[in-house]
Amino acid sequence: NAGVTQTPKFRVLKTGQSMTLLCAQDMNHEYMYWYRQDPGMGLRLIHYSVGEGTTAKGEVPDGYNVSRLKKQNFLLGLESAAPSQTSVYFCASTPRGLSYNEQFFGPGTRLTVL
Amino acid sequence: GQQVMQIPQYQHVQEGEDFTTYCNSSTTLSNIQWYKQRPGGHPVFLIQLVKSGEVKKQKRLTFQFGEAKKNSSLHITATQTTDVGTYFCAGRANTDKLIFGTGTRLQVFP
Repeated sequence: NAGVTQTPKFRVLKTGQSMTLLCAQDMNHEYMYWYRQDPGMGLRLIHYSVGEGTTAKGEVPDGYNVSRLKKQNFLLGLESAAPSQTSVYFCASTPRGLSYNEQFFGPGTRLTVL
Repeated sequence: GQQVMQIPQYQHVQEGEDFTTYCNSSTTLSNIQWYKQRPGGHPVFLIQLVKSGEVKKQKRLTFQFGEAKKNSSLHITATQTTDVGTYFCAGRANTDKLIFGTGTRLQVFP
């Protein structure tokens, strides 16, 4: 099993450009999450999904959109990138809710917006 | 909204010294998880605590959940260079979301 994979690993964008980050998991997990990590601020939840076809907002959803068309994939979109979106983005998944389940994280995508 | 704070933000220790990081939530938690992130890596799950006053040990690591379920601690005995990284607590309060603490970065000097 590959676990949780993220594409791409690195990306540099110019302000106003758009892009999509792909997260894929092969563990048949129901729940998937997108976080951003900034220095001194821990991980902040952007959006999450409790199952195929469903999405919900997290702590910092503005400027991002997501889709979960297939159970194994969770896409994070930036329609018009801004320098404030420079960050490391992590995807995570769990078998079900967070009650008694650890989160499995992907390796991260480092995004720089100029 | 719910907030989870950790102290200290940084800790530098000599190899063999003990280390403790503290986690405090603004709200009562259903459970708390701890993660370790090596430099340049991704967070990796260490443990989950659920019961009030619960204490769990993993070799040199001791995890504790407060009686009021609003705070937690991680203590490492006799640190080693392999303990280097950032330790995060993450609390859940009756939602599907985990709120991560700000993290404590541990540096161990040989």
